[in-house]
Amino acid sequence: DGGITQSPKYLFRKEGQNVTLSCEQNLNHDAMYWYRQDPGQGLRLIYYSQIVNDFQKGDIAEGYSVSREKKESFPLTVTSAQKNPTAFYLCASSMSTSGNYEQYFGPGTRLTVT
Amino acid sequence: RKEVEQDPGPFNVPEGATVAFNCTYSNSASQSFFWYRQDCRKEPKLLMSVYSSGNEDGRFTAQLNRASQYISLLIRDSKLSDSATYLCVVNKAAGNKLTFGGGTRVLVKP
Repeated sequence: DGGITQSPKYLFRKEGQNVTLSCEQNLNHDAMYWYRQDPGQGLRLIYYSQIVNDFQKGDIAEGYSVSREKKESFPLTVTSAQKNPTAFYLCASSMSTSGNYEQYFGPGTRLTVT
Repeated sequence: RKEVEQDPGPFNVPEGATVAFNCTYSNSASQSFFWYRQDCRKEPKLLMSVYSSGNEDGRFTAQLNRASQYISLLIRDSKLSDSATYLCVVNKAAGNKLTFGGGTRVLVKP
């Protein structure tokens, strides 16, 4: 089955630690995205990537980093510099960043930092 | 003004009734529009794209009003399973960066 997988589903970390969230897709999509969702809020774009080895900051990139070494994979690192890291993190992909293609989402990772 | 605005609701709807709600967007150059559905603590899932001429998918009808810069979603014959948060999503003119509204919560009750 084609789709997007994110792991783990739940993640707990102590303040001050970096943590990496996994996102893999087998849809052969060129574009991938990371969003954050806080309770009762909409999605906010963290980073996005149009092709391998290229990525751009979204609206709230501070405290986060990404890499895109393979087309299928777009991991997100939440660094200790992120002031409020506890949130629901969603990865998405689309055929392209040009045109009007809809995005498809993975099941998300709930990160709790204490 | 937010780029994409939605009434957060909740819209309490009797089973079998019709419910409709709008979403306004601020960028007149926006090119494509979508409705996503999000269940509690789950990922958003594409419900339907919104075309200029309006479109229908079963009990769901989406409309676009470019002059007034809003899109709408109408649900007929509401089912209990329609209870969810409906996200309005707008594609900016340049590239495929989607902007999400905060969502409209719909609760269908027996």
